[in-house]
Amino acid sequence: GEDVEQSLFLSVREGDSSVINCTYTDSSSTYLYWYKQEPGAGLQLLTYIFSNMDMKQDQRLTVLLNKKDKHLSLRIADTQTGDSAIYFCAESPRWMDSSYKLIFGSGTRLLVRP
Amino acid sequence: DTGVSQDPRHKITKRGQNVTFRCDPISEHNRLYWYRQTLGQGPEFLTYFQNEAQLEKSRLLSDRFSAERPKGSFSTLEIQRTEQGDSAMYLCASSRGQENTEAFFGQGTRLTVV
Repeated sequence: GEDVEQSLFLSVREGDSSVINCTYTDSSSTYLYWYKQEPGAGLQLLTYIFSNMDMKQDQRLTVLLNKKDKHLSLRIADTQTGDSAIYFCAESPRWMDSSYKLIFGSGTRLLVRP
Repeated sequence: DTGVSQDPRHKITKRGQNVTFRCDPISEHNRLYWYRQTLGQGPEFLTYFQNEAQLEKSRLLSDRFSAERPKGSFSTLEIQRTEQGDSAMYLCASSRGQENTEAFFGQGTRLTVV
């Protein structure tokens, strides 16, 4: 089945690192994504990782993938108040599915305290 | 090209009325997706088009919902006989359709059924 789970809420102090975790179920997903949604806005792709990778770093963002445990995490270094938003993990199942549709988690609300 | 455009941004309608939303994807993107997002949840896949062909529909898309993409460019999503449970944000996304190209999201249409 297809299911993506995330913790609901994370609060950090400005300048600290944030780690947002996600578990997924579909082992056929070859790409896993992190999206950011600010209030009243659409979704912005932050980064993605291919399933044959363990880690991907992009400026302040680090994605870690544990394929055995189907666990994905997003680390934001030096978190800023502008990073306050909802972060969605998404998988793109590929088994018998060429739509490339995204299956999203419920989102983690990140609050950055000054 | 300014990205994926959705119209209207907000719609308030009385229960039982029909509503239609429009999505203009990024030009030359041959894939177009509709998602629905309710409060506190991640987006859920509704349907997708490759060019003008509607290739997949979610079980969430009841008989009251219909989507079209007549010329393979813009798309419309119509909801007939709206119900309060239809209140949600309706998001449109488009992509080039290659295995891992970014899906760009519009800002969504927020529907409130009263």
